[in-house]
Amino acid sequence: KQEVTQIPAALSVPEGENLVLNCSFTDSAIYNLQWFRQDPGKGLTSLLLIQSSQREQTSGRLNASLDKSSGRSTLYIAASQPGDSATYLCAVRRQYGGSQGNLIFGKGTKLSVKP
Amino acid sequence: GAVVSQHPSWVICKSGTSVKIECRSLDFQATTMFWYRQFPKQSLMLMATSNEGSKATYEQGVEKDKFLINHASLTLSTLTVTSAHPEDSSFYICSARDLKRGNTGELFFGEGSRLTVL
Repeated sequence: KQEVTQIPAALSVPEGENLVLNCSFTDSAIYNLQWFRQDPGKGLTSLLLIQSSQREQTSGRLNASLDKSSGRSTLYIAASQPGDSATYLCAVRRQYGGSQGNLIFGKGTKLSVKP
Repeated sequence: GAVVSQHPSWVICKSGTSVKIECRSLDFQATTMFWYRQFPKQSLMLMATSNEGSKATYEQGVEKDKFLINHASLTLSTLTVTSAHPEDSSFYICSARDLKRGNTGELFFGEGSRLTVL
């Protein structure tokens, strides 16, 4: 059974700091991994999608890496801003079922960036 | 990215009544939509997979007669919580995959619907 763990559960940093959020999964047979952002009481915004054959993806100040063999992914946020404050969710799609397979989510890391 | 819209964003109802939540893909077609449920400080849990033109596939432990899903078109799926009880109070989120994005498998999510059953 695939389990996704995110550490830390909460993180508070001063504005401008670079930070790393961690995600680990127990079954390396994944189709892809997706990072999301969720603001309080809101839905999910897709940030980055990494296919199983890829090692990293970048979008602006965000960089996500994937090490499938060790079951790990990191989300790197450069020069953090107060507007980055949100809960960041990591989710993996099982290899079985291909692109149709459902996502297994971690509980998220709640990030607070202090001005 | 593709836009998924949910309605209503929040609803309060009395115990025993039924509530319908709509999920629409606004600028793309989706043969498959997923319905998730999220409790406070918990992960999103998949409830069911909604397939256009066919019956939904429910996850283990989810009552199909309690949570009715209809996916009548390529842009609309509905979730009806029947005879709602306070324990059904939760945040319900739908997601959809854009057919034109091929096999990337990227899912786009709605804004969620907060259900409170009194």
